[in-house]
Amino acid sequence: ETGVTQSPTHLIKTRGQQVTLRCSSQSGHNTVSWYQQALGQGPQFIFQYYREEENGRGNFPPRFSGLQFPNYSSELNVNALELDDSALYLCASSLEQGRETQYFGPGTRLLVL
Amino acid sequence: AQSVTQLGSHVSVSEGALVLLRCNYSSSVPPYLFWYVQYPNQGLQLLLKYTTGATLVKGINGFEAEFKKSETSFHLTKPSAHMSDAAEYFCAVSKAAGNKLTFGGGTRVLVKP
Repeated sequence: ETGVTQSPTHLIKTRGQQVTLRCSSQSGHNTVSWYQQALGQGPQFIFQYYREEENGRGNFPPRFSGLQFPNYSSELNVNALELDDSALYLCASSLEQGRETQYFGPGTRLLVL
Repeated sequence: AQSVTQLGSHVSVSEGALVLLRCNYSSSVPPYLFWYVQYPNQGLQLLLKYTTGATLVKGINGFEAEFKKSETSFHLTKPSAHMSDAAEYFCAVSKAAGNKLTFGGGTRVLVKP
């Protein structure tokens, strides 16, 4: 059984650019959540996808958007990057929407210059 | 809204000494509670969780936590610290299975030889 994987591991962008981060869920998991972890802080919930539909969103602006594909892999897209978007972006998957345990990937570290 | 407070952003313990990490939460509904550990440059690994039932929860690597509803606490303990326990620890709460996780700010543990 493979765990949650994310790509790329590191990324450097400049302010105003757009970025796409990718997540492959653990085998059999149909729910994926994305979190932003700024340096020295706890992760903050961005949004969750269940069977390709957005199922809850945190306090993040619309320039943060996502997709979930039929194979349950997922993307996080951020438009018009700002310096404050620099963070570790974590993807977490769970077996079913009603199951409590979320399994996290290693994260993508984004630096915006 | 839910919130999590972790008392002490840094804790230093000697190898072999008790590890005690404090977590208090606020929730309008019976919570699901979690402790995650994050090693440098890695994602989050689940240590243990409380959903229902027994209030003393045992996790991996010798850690355990006790849910105390009257104190709205979920403190994490380990009787004897090991050098490999040096990491950052996050307490998290959710209000339903598979729902978003709300994290505390984290406690970084340093283990002295």
